[in-house]
Amino acid sequence: NAGVTQTPKFQVLKTGQSMTLQCAQDMNHEYMSWYRQDPGMGLRLIHYSVGAGITDQGEVPNGYNVSRSTTEDFPLRLLSAAPSQTSVYFCASSREGGSYEQYFGPGTRLTVT
Amino acid sequence: EDQVTQSPEALRLQEGESSSLNCSYTVSGLRGLFWYRQDPGKGPEFLFTLYSAGEEKEKERLKATLTKKESFLHITAPKPEDSATYLCAVGPNTNAGKSTFGDGTTLTVKP
Repeated sequence: NAGVTQTPKFQVLKTGQSMTLQCAQDMNHEYMSWYRQDPGMGLRLIHYSVGAGITDQGEVPNGYNVSRSTTEDFPLRLLSAAPSQTSVYFCASSREGGSYEQYFGPGTRLTVT
Repeated sequence: EDQVTQSPEALRLQEGESSSLNCSYTVSGLRGLFWYRQDPGKGPEFLFTLYSAGEEKEKERLKATLTKKESFLHITAPKPEDSATYLCAVGPNTNAGKSTFGDGTTLTVKP
């Protein structure tokens, strides 16, 4: 099993550009989530999904959109990139939910200039 | 609102020098407390889940313990390969969708 995969590993955007961060898991987990991690800080929840077709907002959802059309995939869309969105983004999945152990992807390092 | 505070922010140890990391938490109802290890440039890796006060779990040189207000990650005779950031998180039993993470403790073990 590949576990949780994320693409791209690195990305540089100009202010105002849009892009999609990809996340996929092959563990048949119902729960998937997106976090951002800023230097010296823990993980902050952006959006999460408890199953295909069901998504909800986390702690810092503004400027991001998600959808979940399949169990395997959970893309994160940046609508109009801003410098404040410079961060490392992690996707995670869990067999039962966010209140259970989660398995993380390797991350996408995003810089917005 | 659920909160997690980890201390110290950074810890430097000599190889073989045992110590503990602290995770203080407040949560409306605890489903589970989680410890993760994060190496530089990588995603967090799950270590332990603790469910109730008094519970302990061990893995190699690491032992995690839980009380009603805090958790400790004890590191016995650490080696340089134990150097990493250790993250603590709580999962409430009121909302299965949201865990809250602490800011982490960065451990450096010198040979």
